[in-house]
Amino acid sequence: DTGVSQNPRHKITKRGQNVTFRCDPISEHNRLYWYRQTLGQGPEFLTYFQNEAQLEKSRLLSDRFSAERPKGSFSTLEIQRTEQGDSAMYLCASSPGRGSTEAFFGQGTRLTVV
Amino acid sequence: SQQGEEDPQALSIQEGENATMNCSYKTSINNLQWYRQNSGRGLVHLILIRSNEREKHSGRLRVTLDTSKKSSSLLITASRAADTASYFCATPPGGGSYIPTFGRGTSLIVHP
Repeated sequence: DTGVSQNPRHKITKRGQNVTFRCDPISEHNRLYWYRQTLGQGPEFLTYFQNEAQLEKSRLLSDRFSAERPKGSFSTLEIQRTEQGDSAMYLCASSPGRGSTEAFFGQGTRLTVV
Repeated sequence: SQQGEEDPQALSIQEGENATMNCSYKTSINNLQWYRQNSGRGLVHLILIRSNEREKHSGRLRVTLDTSKKSSSLLITASRAADTASYFCATPPGGGSYIPTFGRGTSLIVHP
């Protein structure tokens, strides 16, 4: 499968715990995006990488959220001290760049904070 | 803030009918994209229309773009039950960014 892969698909965690999600983009895609989506809403942009550089971060991304893309390939999104309001679907997408803005999405990680 | 807004929020039709959904946006764009999302899953890119294009077709999909009105429409002809999904338009938020920014979407139900 050469699509965008996200792990885990589902995560249930207790409030206050830390969680980490992983995204493996399509090979050679240099742009990687993280979005958050809640029920009945569209995806909300969180952050964007071009290769290993984190170029944009949304104001939605509080200091409890951190994302990395250390080698310009896979990316991780960590949420520290989770809150119930963090419950959502976290979507990762990649794009080849070089003039193409089409984004290819993974299936998402559904986070439930109890 | 959201750049694009889809209308209507929900649409219910019978199989075989056409479905039209609209997107309005706020700032100048160089392209607009439409995506589909089946229940609880990731988004699938459907079609991209550039600012110098007025209409584009892909199979049963027809997209129009009116930059003077800052609006786009997605027409699905001869709908099928499998077209049941949420449809989103995505545009860059402006200010030189090209990050796809999504509206709330149109939820389409096609009854068999």
